[in-house]
Amino acid sequence: DAGITQSPRHKVTETGTPVTLRCHQTENHRYMYWYRQDPGHGLRLIHYSYGVKDTDKGEVSDGYSVSRSKTEDFLLTLESATSSQTSVYFCAIIFSSLYNEQFFGPGTRLTVL
Amino acid sequence: ELKVEQNPLFLSMQEGKNYTIYCNYSTTSDRLYWYRQDPGKSLESLFVLLSNGAVKQEGRLMASLDTKARLSTLHITAAVHDLSATYFCAVVIRDKIIFGKGTRLHILP
Repeated sequence: DAGITQSPRHKVTETGTPVTLRCHQTENHRYMYWYRQDPGHGLRLIHYSYGVKDTDKGEVSDGYSVSRSKTEDFLLTLESATSSQTSVYFCAIIFSSLYNEQFFGPGTRLTVL
Repeated sequence: ELKVEQNPLFLSMQEGKNYTIYCNYSTTSDRLYWYRQDPGKSLESLFVLLSNGAVKQEGRLMASLDTKARLSTLHITAAVHDLSATYFCAVVIRDKIIFGKGTRLHILP
């Protein structure tokens, strides 16, 4: 357990509604990441953060925004959810150490109807 | 743009056999990760490879890195059913971490 929690763990929503997913860490690690996982695509990077208020885009950032107002929380927002955003979303952090190992949260399963 | 390719994408093998999963990437990288994922679960960190020639081993799994060839391998020795899972490599360039599509490994008893 790397001290990473994600909420909610499951969510069903309708097309066009806003959705916010939360990633929370219990330690002050600098780097946090959001990925989505879909069959046949592996994990794709959506956005990442390298500090409070410091974020950057990943491979599939269209339709997503992020915010990091404090070190321990990294929020992923779908402004207007679409069915193509149905996926499993994983948050990850980099442990600040010699190896900079990356650890993952438990995931959030999002279904957009 | 960094591209990461794993092969094979699916592998079915008998217990007791050896096999290798390959991870190729397109640009110079800072480090490389290997992960395991069981169905319906999150990803579990297996190895972090930092430098050219790095080799790490844990049980029946051994990972290596050749930065000049931009190639990492994950070798499975004398496979057992418990190693059935999906294995991912991920490559770091500056702060971005890009994953391969994964290799689904099925080990037959």
